[in-house]
Amino acid sequence: DAGVTQSPTHLIKTRGQQVTLRCSPISGHKSVSWYQQVLGQGPQFIFQYYEKEERGRGNFPDRFSARQFPNYSSELNVNALLLGDSALYLCASSPWVNTEAFFGQGTRLTVV
Amino acid sequence: KQEVTQIPAALSVPEGENLVLNCSFTDSAIYNLQWFRQDPGKGLTSLLLIQSSQREQTSGRLNASLDKSSGRSTLYIAASQPGDSATYLCAIYGGSQGNLIFGKGTKLSVKP
Repeated sequence: DAGVTQSPTHLIKTRGQQVTLRCSPISGHKSVSWYQQVLGQGPQFIFQYYEKEERGRGNFPDRFSARQFPNYSSELNVNALLLGDSALYLCASSPWVNTEAFFGQGTRLTVV
Repeated sequence: KQEVTQIPAALSVPEGENLVLNCSFTDSAIYNLQWFRQDPGKGLTSLLLIQSSQREQTSGRLNASLDKSSGRSTLYIAASQPGDSATYLCAIYGGSQGNLIFGKGTKLSVKP
């Protein structure tokens, strides 16, 4: 069975640009969450979606947005990129809320 | 506000040693607790999930315990191997939005 897949694996963007990150959950999983991890820190919660509805949002600016599609895949969008947005972005899927989470390999975003 | 602390931040041991990683949290009202492993620049690999009604879980050389009343969890690794070298993250399902709250991790190095 395929695990959680994220694309792209790496990308480099310039300050002020916009970026879209993609995540495909494990088949049958209806909950997708996004986390940001900067070097040396634990992952920080950005968004959670369940059954295509936003269930929660972390302490991130409105430049960050996300959505979940009918097939439960998800996109994370970040507008007006800042140098501080450089991080590893992780997607997690789970059958439903508060159940075991499985993470993808992440997308390494570098803003220059 | 729920906080997760992991001690020590880094640990170096000789191969074959048994070791304990510690995780503490400030609010005992949690759903579940999950231990992850992270290799440099990679995503998170789930090691063990302890549900709130359980006291411990075992998988191979790993044993994790949970004491909600004292706000503590430990991850015990038996007969450590160089391949165990990685960062170990503890996370609780306790966020008000169903999200995971992570510690900063313990970086483990096992010397041959």
